[in-house]
Order: sequence, then structure tokens, then C-alpha cells
Amino acid sequence: DAGITQSPRHKVTETGTPVTLRCHQTENHRYMYWYRQDPGHGLRLIHYSYGVKDTDKGEVSDGYSVSRSKTEDFLLTLESATSSQTSVYFCAIIYSEVYNEQFFGPGTRLTVL
Amino acid sequence: GENVEQHPSTLSVQEGDSAVIKCTYSDSASNYFPWYKQELGKGPQLIIDIRSNVGEKKDQRIAVTLNKTAKHFSLHITETQPEDSAVYFCAASKNNYGQNFVFGPGTRLSVLP
Repeated sequence: DAGITQSPRHKVTETGTPVTLRCHQTENHRYMYWYRQDPGHGLRLIHYSYGVKDTDKGEVSDGYSVSRSKTEDFLLTLESATSSQTSVYFCAIIYSEVYNEQFFGPGTRLTVL
Repeated sequence: GENVEQHPSTLSVQEGDSAVIKCTYSDSASNYFPWYKQELGKGPQLIIDIRSNVGEKKDQRIAVTLNKTAKHFSLHITETQPEDSAVYFCAASKNNYGQNFVFGPGTRLSVLP
């Protein structure tokens, strides 16, 4: 699992509430990613980070923000959760910058009622 | 931008038979093509990958082939076993990090005993 943990693993929340998901890695990797996975869509990139305080948007970034104040932690925030953000969220890292191999965390299942 | 298509969306095979999953990509600049296996409730796991400078790569019962001219690559699993049952994703990437991994929609493989 390349030393990636995600918390919480499951969360149920109500529309309009803020939610923060955490990705933690223990191996000092520079690149970190947040994806969402929905049936029929595969994995879609939300945001990514290429270093502390260096982040950029992905394909489906609307309604999401991220922060990376430490190398090991990459936070995904839904400022005001909507039912369309019900999904499984995966964090990923680039394990080797030479070989560009991407490894994933175990995922967080988020339900917005 | 890059677009990755994957076929079939579902595949059922008898134990011991072979399974083939095919992906096509649109961006000729893509040069790294990983395959992921995702079991229920888990994150995607990298199982094999291929780079644009080779045409085929094998690892025990799995192999991947790449046809750069036709812009397609395929996953081959021989002597399938029930534990091969999972969802398989292909992806295409340029070796410049950031928002460069584009995933196919996935293939659900069922190996029937």
C-alpha cells in the first residue's frame, strides 16, 4: 500500500455540512493525488499536489479544495457537501519519480444525505 | 486531452481459460500504460505496466501488449483463477506527472469455477 492511509474510511454527512478527508503517507513522496470513483466513470482526478503548498486542479475540482501544509498530509475539503459528492475517494502517490508509478490508498466512502 | 476507452465492460470466463481486456488511447504523447486490479472495498492495485519503448511485458500469468501505431494496449490473463475476479482498470500517462493519468472506465472480470 506504499504507506498510504486515509481517514475516515467511511463517513455519512448531511447536505450543506463541511467535510475534510485526510490522506497520510509515511515515505516522503512529493506527488499526491485525490480521485473520486463513481460507477461508469472510473477514476477521475479532483486535485493533485507536487509539494508542500503546491497544488493544482484536476478534471472535477468544482466544489472541492485541498491543502498540503506538510509533505505527509494531503487534505481534501468539501466546503458544503452536496448529494452529487457521494462517492468513494482515493488518495494516490507517485512512488518513483523515475518510473512514474502511481499507488493508491484504501479509499474513503462518503455518503451525503 | 487524453481519452481512454476500455472494452469489454464485463467479462465472464471459465476457470483455466484466458481473459483479454483492451484499451485504446487518443494522445500519441502518452508513454506509460499501467493496469490496476481492484477488489471489492479496496483501492486499485498496480499489477503490471508497460512503457512506449517496448511492445510486450510478462509477469507470470499476466501480460500486456502495446501497439503504438494503433494506440491500443491489452491485458492478457492466462490460466484464470477465481481470485482473478475483480475490476480491472487501464490508464494512460505522459511521464510528466501532474494531471496526466487518465483511466479507463473499468472491466469487471468474473472467473467461474
